[in-house]
Amino acid sequence: DIQMTQSPSSLSASVGDRVTITCRASQTISNYLNWYQHKPGKAPNLLIYTASSLQSGVPSRFSGSGSGTYFTLTISSLQPEDFATYYCQQTYSIPWTFGQGTQVEIK
Amino acid sequence: DGELVESGGGLVEPGGSLTLSCAVAGFPFENFGFNWVRQAPGKGLEWVSFISSSGVTVYYVDSVKGRFTVSRDKAKNSLFLQMNSLTAEDTAVYFCARVSHIVAGPKWLDTWGQGTLVTVSS
Repeated sequence: DIQMTQSPSSLSASVGDRVTITCRASQTISNYLNWYQHKPGKAPNLLIYTASSLQSGVPSRFSGSGSGTYFTLTISSLQPEDFATYYCQQTYSIPWTFGQGTQVEIK
Repeated sequence: DGELVESGGGLVEPGGSLTLSCAVAGFPFENFGFNWVRQAPGKGLEWVSFISSSGVTVYYVDSVKGRFTVSRDKAKNSLFLQMNSLTAEDTAVYFCARVSHIVAGPKWLDTWGQGTLVTVSS
């Protein structure tokens, strides 16, 4: 199975901050990497697919980059509604594993 | 862009069985594959199962192989997750999610339900 490792596991940031979350795969996955936002009691929400494509309706302050084994999700200017947990997921091979999540909290 | 609604969760004793349903609306059900994903209390998301648009291809995470069965019913616009021999480790919120309509290449989960809670306890 491909292991996905996110860092950090949690972070505290202020509104307006630039935030970057990293995701590393245990083997190369090309660009088969997606990012989701999840808030408690809600459905997870797709932000980025194929490493860098912005899902329709997602604000442009979210961006993704990377290929192979190293990927990043960046929020250019953190907004109050962005406080949530973020997950990367690989769909290169079954099982489609998720990272352990990064919880973004208010400083 | 479509809606997924899970149901069927509840409290079940260890060793028991439960069937989850996911009702689909707002898009052509037969054109899409689906996943089941779960989240145990205080834990992250865990991929559980995949079923193709035809229903012919199915996959499972190792921890549920031989115990869980995913299926779909075009007439009901629904997919199902039959769960047998449940243990406390299966306690989680279970989400169904639509797989992007791409024939080949990368896939992603573009529409999710709100989830249904399964609690395995005596």
